[in-house]
Amino acid sequence: GAVVSQHPSRVICKSGTSVKIECRSLDFQATTMFWYRQFPKQSLMLMATSNEGSKATYEQGVEKDKFLINHASLTLSTLTVTSAHPEDSSFYICSASKGILSYNEQFFGPGTRLTVL
Amino acid sequence: AQKVTQAQTEISVVEKEDVTLDCVYETRDTTYYLFWYKQPPSGELVFLIRRNSFDEQNEISGRYSWNFQKSTSSFNFTITASQVVDSAVYFCALSEASRNQGGKLIFGQGTELSVKP
Repeated sequence: GAVVSQHPSRVICKSGTSVKIECRSLDFQATTMFWYRQFPKQSLMLMATSNEGSKATYEQGVEKDKFLINHASLTLSTLTVTSAHPEDSSFYICSASKGILSYNEQFFGPGTRLTVL
Repeated sequence: AQKVTQAQTEISVVEKEDVTLDCVYETRDTTYYLFWYKQPPSGELVFLIRRNSFDEQNEISGRYSWNFQKSTSSFNFTITASQVVDSAVYFCALSEASRNQGGKLIFGQGTELSVKP
């Protein structure tokens, strides 16, 4: 149990286009979902926390208008990178949690590798 | 301020050697949770262990063991008789109870372990 999927696994796009990444919890309801980005040889950086039905909470320095997050249901959250540029190329990872408490384990998706040309 | 430090950026060992990955954390909370994750080359994070701040018992799971010491704010991870399949990046992470955001994780920088045959 506790499987999280991401789609697509890889995406290559031209500069200026928008890209949507989906994160789904397949066998549980995710009260909270997180979005991370990871540059090569670096750690995971939390971008935002989203709870179903409410606005996402963005970390300091993350542009809300650039990275649109929608948590429309308890099993789906989407991250849209708007007007993508080469510097947005990164590995994007989502995770899902069954609850809102700090001991709730996060289950991670396999990640999406975005390359912006 | 909350922080997780993994001072070892890269470690290289020969198969069957024991190896210890260090993790030092900082938090003002009295209740918190510590985690270890493995990230193989595929990119997907694999959960290894969760420890709460009130449980200082060391834990062993097969070839893996963890040493939690509050006195030194450390949560070290040892792999006994390492194998090539253990090659991955290992992340230590902290979740603070006061934040109550579904387990928001603060990651260390990661340690890249290379096990050579």
